[in-house]
Amino acid sequence: DIQMTQSPSSLSASVGDRVTITCQASQDISNYLNWYQQKPGKAPKLLIYDASNLETGVPSRFSGSGSGTDFTFTISSLQPEDIATYYCQQYDNLPRFTFGPGTKVDIK
Amino acid sequence: QVQLVQSGAEVKKPGASVKVSCKASGYTFTSYYMHWVRQAPGQGLEWMGIINPSGGSTSYAQKFQGRVTMTRDTSTSTVYMELSSLRSEDTAVYYCASDMVRSNAFDIWGQGTMVTVSS
Repeated sequence: DIQMTQSPSSLSASVGDRVTITCQASQDISNYLNWYQQKPGKAPKLLIYDASNLETGVPSRFSGSGSGTDFTFTISSLQPEDIATYYCQQYDNLPRFTFGPGTKVDIK
Repeated sequence: QVQLVQSGAEVKKPGASVKVSCKASGYTFTSYYMHWVRQAPGQGLEWMGIINPSGGSTSYAQKFQGRVTMTRDTSTSTVYMELSSLRSEDTAVYYCASDMVRSNAFDIWGQGTMVTVSS
């Protein structure tokens, strides 16, 4: 099975800061990676699909990049409403799907 | 509008089974696969399996093989997830989710169903 790791597991940043989260796959998954945002008590929300494509309606401060085994998720200017946990998810070995362990983002 | 509405919270004893429903509306039920994802308290997301509402075929994560059954009722546009031999570690919020617009990305989610396993 493909394993996913994320770093850091948590971070604190100031409003306006650039925030970067990395996700690593245990084997090459091409660009078969999505990113989700989950706020407390809510279902996850798709932000980025196929590693770098912004979902419709998602603010442009969110972006994703990478391919193969190493991926990056970036918030260009952190806003108070971005406080959430962020998960990567791979879909290389269909129909199996695997989520990363998550990164909790807080305001400093 | 497109929505997935799940059944309410459940409390079960260890060893029992639970069946959670997810009713789809606003789109052609048989056109899109449905997934189940769970989240234990304070923990991450865990994919459990997938069902094709059209033919009923399923595929389950190895961890749940033998304990989970996913079914569907096309007459009511509802999918079901039944988990048996419950143990305390199965206490979690269970979500249904579908990849309607973005292939292999979960772009629509149910509201979640809390299942508590406690003696």
